[in-house]
Amino acid sequence: ETGVTQSPTHLIKTRGQQVTLRCSSQSGHNTVSWYQQALGQGPQFIFQYYREEENGRGNFPPRFSGLQFPNYSSELNVNALELDDSALYLCASNQRELTGELFFGEGSRLTVL
Amino acid sequence: RKEVEQDPGPFNVPEGATVAFNCTYSNSASQSFFWYRQDCRKEPKLLMSVYSSGNEDGRFTAQLNRASQYISLLIRDSKLSDSATYLCVVNAEYGNKLVFGAGTILRVKS
Repeated sequence: ETGVTQSPTHLIKTRGQQVTLRCSSQSGHNTVSWYQQALGQGPQFIFQYYREEENGRGNFPPRFSGLQFPNYSSELNVNALELDDSALYLCASNQRELTGELFFGEGSRLTVL
Repeated sequence: RKEVEQDPGPFNVPEGATVAFNCTYSNSASQSFFWYRQDCRKEPKLLMSVYSSGNEDGRFTAQLNRASQYISLLIRDSKLSDSATYLCVVNAEYGNKLVFGAGTILRVKS
């Protein structure tokens, strides 16, 4: 196991609702990245947080937002949910100074009805 | 054009076969390259990094051609347990933003 934990593991929401997903990074890691993986696709980069600030963002609208806390854990918030937001949301952590492996959690599977 | 493109799958091979996956990337400034493995309904996990000189880890060999912006993965003596989706991954020029290909499904059959 990577030591990255995510919650909840599964959830169902309806269009227009808001959702918050949570991630605890692996001990010693100061950077958290969030990815969206739709069925049959590779993970798509949403954004990255380093020392509580956003440090890079992918091609996602502003209704996708996040936070990183002093203990390096993180939240992903999605407002005004759309059907296409149904996906596996993956959190990954690493030590920013080291380029290389990201350690992923098992993901939160979101279904929007 | 997608930033990272992979061979379409699935690849259905018998046990013991040798199989090769190819991948191309569009950003010539990319610095780091990886192959990740993802089992069904699980998270991606690093299989191996890819270096310009090529590198081998047991039955797995990865190659990088920067001039052609091409990455490959060779699996020899395929095992049933190799069945998974293989993701070609490139590190964008800044930070640790990894760009993933769509993945290639490998099914090894007895």
